[in-house]
Amino acid sequence: DQQVKQNSPSLSVQEGRISILNCDYTNSMFDYFLWYKKYPAEGPTFLISISSIKDKNEDGRFTVFLNKSAKHLSLHIVPSQPGDSAVYFCAASARSNFGNEKLTFGTGTRLTIIP
Amino acid sequence: DTEVTQTPKHLVMGMTNKKSLKCEQHMGHRAMYWYKQKAKKPPELMFVYSYEKLSINESVPSRFSPECPNSSLLNLHLHALQPEDSALYLCASSWTELGSYEQYFGPGTRLTVT
Repeated sequence: DQQVKQNSPSLSVQEGRISILNCDYTNSMFDYFLWYKKYPAEGPTFLISISSIKDKNEDGRFTVFLNKSAKHLSLHIVPSQPGDSAVYFCAASARSNFGNEKLTFGTGTRLTIIP
Repeated sequence: DTEVTQTPKHLVMGMTNKKSLKCEQHMGHRAMYWYKQKAKKPPELMFVYSYEKLSINESVPSRFSPECPNSSLLNLHLHALQPEDSALYLCASSWTELGSYEQYFGPGTRLTVT
């Protein structure tokens, strides 16, 4: 049972335009969401997170939107840059135990920025 | 400094070998994790250590044996592995205080079992 889903395995965006990556979840106990970026042969790098008490969090070019009623979140990258080409994982947790929450990862979306 | 280091970077081992993966962080994090990632799949949690004690074992076979010698180090001892255990093994760490939930990952060890 895939509790966190990223339905687009790949996405191509022109440099300078907006990249929008989507993530859906089914577990209503999830209350904290994270986005990670992964280059080949490297570990995932934390990008941005959002708590369920918010509907938007922004950090530079990255903005995450959360729609709790739809159980949907999205990551917006604007403007997109060639260095943004990577696999992006959405992850979710239910914060039952502080500090060692299990992260449930989505299957990832490969983003390619076209120069 | 948000660095988690892992050694070795690559490891090839036979099914009868015993080897260990090592992970280190100096961020003062008190929770450390082992994940396994197969190609084109998301990371799967294996073990969680909190304050140097094993708090979560995701029903991992006993041929994988974790160890946390101190708050900065995490080992994964491997014995009698199977070819299907070939994967990228990722270590991560995080704070345990309220409000800090991000896990920081190391670069991984690419394990091949022959």
